[in-house]
Amino acid sequence: DQQVKQNSPSLSVQEGRISILNCDYTNSMFDYFLWYKKYPAEGPTFLISISSIKDKNEDGRFTVFLNKSAKHLSLHIVPSQPGDSAVYFCAANQLSGYALNFGKGTSLLVTP
Amino acid sequence: DVKVTQSSRYLVKRTGEKVFLECVQDMDHENMFWYRQDPGLGLRLIYFSYDVKMKEKGDIPEGYSVSREKKERFSLILESASTNQTSMYLCASSLIGLAENNEQFFGPGTRLTVL
Repeated sequence: DQQVKQNSPSLSVQEGRISILNCDYTNSMFDYFLWYKKYPAEGPTFLISISSIKDKNEDGRFTVFLNKSAKHLSLHIVPSQPGDSAVYFCAANQLSGYALNFGKGTSLLVTP
Repeated sequence: DVKVTQSSRYLVKRTGEKVFLECVQDMDHENMFWYRQDPGLGLRLIYFSYDVKMKEKGDIPEGYSVSREKKERFSLILESASTNQTSMYLCASSLIGLAENNEQFFGPGTRLTVL
């Protein structure tokens, strides 16, 4: 059963605007949430993470928001750039565990 | 920088062949993972290993086996390749599960086509 869900397979945003990628999870035991970015024919690369004790983490143009009561997190990219066009995977884990639980990904297209 | 390398970027094999996918990491990570990525299905965990000679099944282990004889190397084996194993295979590594966020570092992937 999918514990991490990304319900939007794709998103298209104009350059300079905000991109908001959403992720829902079902396991209240998750301790950390991570976002990965993946270009075609490359491996995913780590983008940003957030601990379950925080509700916001910011790194440059990227901000992740966590709403524990709703079991929801979102990644905001401001301003969006054409180079941000990629597939974004949401992932979650428990500190006591080994493996990450990944969502199915959202393909972001930033148009000029 | 952590480096995870995979032996081949592209591989074409025939149905029934035995296929070996190799992965090497250079950061002395305890954990290593094999995923496959398919359109609309995201990353699915095949097997992982938390120590030399230790292995655990992931979500979709059927048709695969793994080998970890040395800490830095984790091999994925397709005993008898089938067309439904055509996919992008991704290897990853991470520190033992006390790292701040258990970030996994991925290799570039191997695009396997089984004819």
